[in-house]
Amino acid sequence: QKEVEQNSGPLSVPEGAIASLNCTYSDRGSQSFFWYRQYSGKSPELIMSIYSNGDKEDGRFTAQLNKASQYVSLLIRDSQPSDSATYLCAAFNDYKLSFGAGTTVTVRA
Amino acid sequence: DVKVTQSSRYLVKRTGEKVFLECVQDMDHENMFWYRQDPGLGLRLIYFSYDVKMKEKGDIPEGYSVSREKKERFSLILESASTNQTSMYLCASRQDRLYGYTFGSGTRLTVV
Repeated sequence: QKEVEQNSGPLSVPEGAIASLNCTYSDRGSQSFFWYRQYSGKSPELIMSIYSNGDKEDGRFTAQLNKASQYVSLLIRDSQPSDSATYLCAAFNDYKLSFGAGTTVTVRA
Repeated sequence: DVKVTQSSRYLVKRTGEKVFLECVQDMDHENMFWYRQDPGLGLRLIYFSYDVKMKEKGDIPEGYSVSREKKERFSLILESASTNQTSMYLCASRQDRLYGYTFGSGTRLTVV
């Protein structure tokens, strides 16, 4: 079992819609969680971090964490063409970040 | 902003060559990491370092070594490059466990 699993996608949403990305993790000891955005040919860029159960909002992005269900999600509201990218979920445990394989999002104009 | 600089954006090397990938960060971070990223396999940890002259193996260390002689610099070494080491290599640094990584721009290595 992979340490971090994401819904495989790809995900296509119309401009202005909500994109919903999901992630589960296997290690209950995981302490902090991150979402990265990666444009094609570029390196990952940190967009959200979350440490406690519940929701965390930053602009058009909302991260949700449920430690009991070992579940992390990312909502992108009012999706824009510039949001088209691969989104990586990551969980911190022990000494490192473990990454999911990523979900590719395409926002249709 | 933290800056993580990788010395080469693209590299082409021959099988059997010794390859050095350099990474420098400018924010006095103690933690530095080397990952490789391959389609369908995601990001996999090769080596990491918590401090100068300290190194730990990650998930896929075989065929690689690292050097950290100064706090700001973490080098990845491919002792004898092979074609299965063709990949995107990403260096990252981190302030502490509550913070995510900051990645460098990546080095796309092709071994022919």
